[in-house]
Amino acid sequence: EAGVAQSPRYKIIEKRQSVAFWCNPISGHATLYWYQQILGQGPKLLIQFQNNGVVDDSQLPKDRFSAERLKGVDSTLKIQPAKLEDSAVYLCASSFHRGRGNTIYFGEGSWLTVV
Amino acid sequence: AQSVTQLDSHVSVSEGTPVLLRCNYSSSYSPSLFWYVQHPNKGLQLLLKYTSAATLVKGINGFEAEFKKSETSFHLTKPSAHMSDAAEYFCVVSEGGTGNQFYFGTGTSLTVIP
Repeated sequence: EAGVAQSPRYKIIEKRQSVAFWCNPISGHATLYWYQQILGQGPKLLIQFQNNGVVDDSQLPKDRFSAERLKGVDSTLKIQPAKLEDSAVYLCASSFHRGRGNTIYFGEGSWLTVV
Repeated sequence: AQSVTQLDSHVSVSEGTPVLLRCNYSSSYSPSLFWYVQHPNKGLQLLLKYTSAATLVKGINGFEAEFKKSETSFHLTKPSAHMSDAAEYFCVVSEGGTGNQFYFGTGTSLTVIP
């Protein structure tokens, strides 16, 4: 079974530039998550989708971050304009459903450095 | 409200000795609990999970964890550390339901000394 795919793996941009990350979840997984992991910290949820609808985006900095999952499958996370503090790993994860006992599976992450 | 506390930010063990990574949780309901491992420059890999079955959960690579409701703990153990176990470990709690959010601890960095 293919895992969660993410691209690009690594990106270096200057502050105020824009960047987009792509994620393809495990086939059949209805729930998709984007997490931000700053070096030395645990992952922080940015946004959670159920199919193509947003379940939780309370911690997404909406003035600069946006995400979409138009067809309920793959997803794109965009940052515009980027700030130095956005340097982090952006982890995409997916799960089959939202019920109790559900397990989330992570991609290998997209590493962003803002200079 | 849910939360997870990993009691040690760094643990150092010698190869071949036991590993203990401690995790306490707070949950209003019956939680699901997970341990994930993250090797350098890699994503998070599921080690094991507890839902509502046996309180002693066995995972991959010889790891296991015991759910103790009275102590609100879910400590991760391994009888004998291997060099390849050196990584960051995250304890995670989820209550399921309509939101099904996953709450991460701050992580424990495990160093294995040859």
